[in-house]
Amino acid sequence: AQSVTQLGSHVSVSEGALVLLRCNYSSSVPPYLFWYVQYPNQGLQLLLKYTSAATLVKGINGFEAEFKKSETSFHLTKPSAHMSDAAEYFCAVSPSGGYQKVTFGIGTKLQVIP
Amino acid sequence: NAGVTQTPKFRVLKTGQSMTLLCAQDMNHEYMYWYRQDPGMGLRLIHYSVGEGTTAKGEVPDGYNVSRLKKQNFLLGLESAAPSQTSVYFCASSLGLASSTDTQYFGPGTRLTVL
Repeated sequence: AQSVTQLGSHVSVSEGALVLLRCNYSSSVPPYLFWYVQYPNQGLQLLLKYTSAATLVKGINGFEAEFKKSETSFHLTKPSAHMSDAAEYFCAVSPSGGYQKVTFGIGTKLQVIP
Repeated sequence: NAGVTQTPKFRVLKTGQSMTLLCAQDMNHEYMYWYRQDPGMGLRLIHYSVGEGTTAKGEVPDGYNVSRLKKQNFLLGLESAAPSQTSVYFCASSLGLASSTDTQYFGPGTRLTVL
């Protein structure tokens, strides 16, 4: 069985401040890990994914995440928040081999304060 | 290249009515998926398909049926809608299995309300 825990359903940051969205996972096999972004009234868009290659993964829009096996974490960061980053972010985990096996977290809404 | 499209965008049904949601993709993807998104629960997989003519159950299949008669289309049916099926429905597609080079693409969603 696998699961994902996103700490904080709502996160607020000031424009220009560090963005840190937390994700912890559990998986009985080496996982694939994903971060998705969802803008209002839109579908999910892949930000980045970890598939057992480099532990520091760089994604679109300046986001990156680090896979830490010892901490079972895959936190999402961005050095400087922009107003356009305001959205909902989902962490997801899958045993390697199939999107049909992906488990999504409940999401974190990011508010960026001007 | 439209990606993944969904029809309709919004729908209101009365309990017991039926409807079909259409998903279409123009990326020649083999795999297609239907999810529902409810507040505080993330996305949950309803049904999926690994190719034309195939379907399989996901995490929450009860009350739904699907068909994949054409590779580019994946239909989600509600035979007798219930208020518990009020949700936002997302379709997605992927070339194949999750890998370093494959990505799952999502449609814009269908917001369904069952009264």
